[in-house]
Amino acid sequence: GQNIDQPTEMTATEGAIVQINCTYQTSGFNGLFWYQQHAGEAPTFLSYNVLDGLEEKGRFSSFLSRSKGYSYLLLKELQMKDSASYLCAVRGSNYQLIWGAGTKLIIKP
Amino acid sequence: EPEVTQTPSHQVTQMGQEVILRCVPISNHLYFYWYRQILGQKVEFLVSFYNNEISEKSEIFDDQFSVERPDGSNFTLKIRSTKLEDSAMYFCASSEPPGKVSVSNQPQHFGDGTRLSIL
Repeated sequence: GQNIDQPTEMTATEGAIVQINCTYQTSGFNGLFWYQQHAGEAPTFLSYNVLDGLEEKGRFSSFLSRSKGYSYLLLKELQMKDSASYLCAVRGSNYQLIWGAGTKLIIKP
Repeated sequence: EPEVTQTPSHQVTQMGQEVILRCVPISNHLYFYWYRQILGQKVEFLVSFYNNEISEKSEIFDDQFSVERPDGSNFTLKIRSTKLEDSAMYFCASSEPPGKVSVSNQPQHFGDGTRLSIL
């Protein structure tokens, strides 16, 4: 079967760094996406990885290891507005996006 | 910045009634999607649409569901006879067409969603 695992919830402190992990098992791989979703709102695109390595976009970075079926999203200089759910999604062999359940990130002052 | 728009933002319908959810994708996008998210649960793929036909659909997308692009701008999801378990947030998304850059790395841009409540 196809499966994406990420922690249910994480807590971090404003100004700190947090790493949200995602492991996946899918039939085929055509890229991994990270989305941010605030409660009651739509997911918004953060990053995309298809090759191994680190992609950096400002305060956010995403890493991929295809051989390990593993990715992480790194958030630096955390701000209160970063409190949200972070969704890992993998595009499989049929180009459908398979979604993880999301990691709820709580930022404390 | 162009965005995907969805209407209505909230729809309340009696069980067994038909409902149509509307979406206007970003104008130069050619791939369209519907997702649903039951409260507190993960986003679930329903269907993708390209070149005026369904390209992929999930097990959720049964005969009760249909999609249509009635004109050059709208993309609709119809649920023929709603059930209580259809209550969810329904998101429309669109992405850029393939071309020099593979479609696989084109992010999907989501609308704000329609909250569907079945009574």
